[in-house]
Amino acid sequence: DVKVTQSSRYLVKRTGEKVFLECVQDMDHENMFWYRQDPGLGLRLIYFSYDVKMKEKGDIPEGYSVSREKKERFSLILESASTNQTSMYLCASSLTHDTNTEAFFGQGTRLTVV
Amino acid sequence: AQTVTQSQPEMSVQEAETVTLSCTYDTSESDYYLFWYKQPPSRQMILVIRQEAYKQQNATENRFSVNFQKAAKSFSLKISDSQLGDAAMYFCAYRRYNNNDMRFGAGTRLTVKP
Repeated sequence: DVKVTQSSRYLVKRTGEKVFLECVQDMDHENMFWYRQDPGLGLRLIYFSYDVKMKEKGDIPEGYSVSREKKERFSLILESASTNQTSMYLCASSLTHDTNTEAFFGQGTRLTVV
Repeated sequence: AQTVTQSQPEMSVQEAETVTLSCTYDTSESDYYLFWYKQPPSRQMILVIRQEAYKQQNATENRFSVNFQKAAKSFSLKISDSQLGDAAMYFCAYRRYNNNDMRFGAGTRLTVKP
């Protein structure tokens, strides 16, 4: 079974802190994604990566950056956390685009910025 | 940009009955994939069913089936013989062929009444 693991289920951080959300997948997937989930808005894509050191902006990249130094690990960085970044963050991975495979998700990280 | 619309924020169904969740999408592409994901209260998102746009036959997975109307850009999910374990958030998702990122609707919260 594909396993996507997010380092924390719950995080509480202070405004202005630098925050790291970590995600690891164990199935050698090329693609990795970070989504933000908010009620009534569904999942919105923040960033995705299709290879090591490669990244592309999604719909809401402002205030976020990402790092992919190894194929299995994809980190989301909040450079200076703000209260409007309080949300559920979901990491996902998938095989490359020329297949019909779905994305596999982690369990989510509930981030609260106070 | 492609958009996915789920017009039913909440739905409820009696146990053992049938329910249909609606999804429409906007695209100018002819080749793409559509997915329904389920997010139970434990939050791990899992795939329910997928459909390739080039296939005319509607996908079926046990009690779950879709009604894919390509011309109408509609992709509804039918759950037959509903069970208590079907209670969850359901997300419709779209991915363009030969493209990496996946777009999600806002979700439908399904309640199953015993």
